[in-house]
Amino acid sequence: AQTVTQSQPEMSVQEAETVTLSCTYDTSENNYYLFWYKQPPSRQMILVIRQEAYKQQNATENRFSVNFQKAAKSFSLKISDSQLGDTAMYFCAFIPYNTDKLIFGTGTRLQVFP
Amino acid sequence: DVKVTQSSRYLVKRTGEKVFLECVQDMDHENMFWYRQDPGLGLRLIYFSYDVKMKEKGDIPEGYSVSREKKERFSLILESASTNQTSMYLCASSLRGADTQYFGPGTRLTVL
Repeated sequence: AQTVTQSQPEMSVQEAETVTLSCTYDTSENNYYLFWYKQPPSRQMILVIRQEAYKQQNATENRFSVNFQKAAKSFSLKISDSQLGDTAMYFCAFIPYNTDKLIFGTGTRLQVFP
Repeated sequence: DVKVTQSSRYLVKRTGEKVFLECVQDMDHENMFWYRQDPGLGLRLIYFSYDVKMKEKGDIPEGYSVSREKKERFSLILESASTNQTSMYLCASSLRGADTQYFGPGTRLTVL
């Protein structure tokens, strides 16, 4: 079975600090996409960052970057210079190339405090 | 920007009622999805559709059905609502295949 594990149900970080959210996954597929989604309190789920498994270079989007370790099946999200608006639930997900089904982890609730 | 809208943000229904949740996307996406979100369980796929009138079961289809008569609209139907269907329901769409999915704001359904 293909699974995604987020081992940190809750995390907190002080404003302007850096935090890393962990994600591991299990699949026998070689080609797939990986995603981090953000769901702010009572607001819409939005895409934070996307990584293609065949690309060795880690994806970055402004203050958000990933550490993709394909052999270890690890896909962590680093948030630099944390802001109050980063407070949200973060979901890690992956989808093999040959399917339409996105597989989600159980989420990490991140609280950024002043 | 992709826009995915859902007909209601909050809905309260009684056990046994038939419930319709509507989702509309404006980007001509082929794929549309219905998920259920529960604390500690993440998002679980109920049904998805890859074309008009086409549908496939997800991981938890029991108690649900779907309808896709037009490309932009995907409906989730609870034939006879039960209290264990109280949850947050999220709709999503993607262009095709393994492309990025874009989500609607969600409908929080309470079944009394």
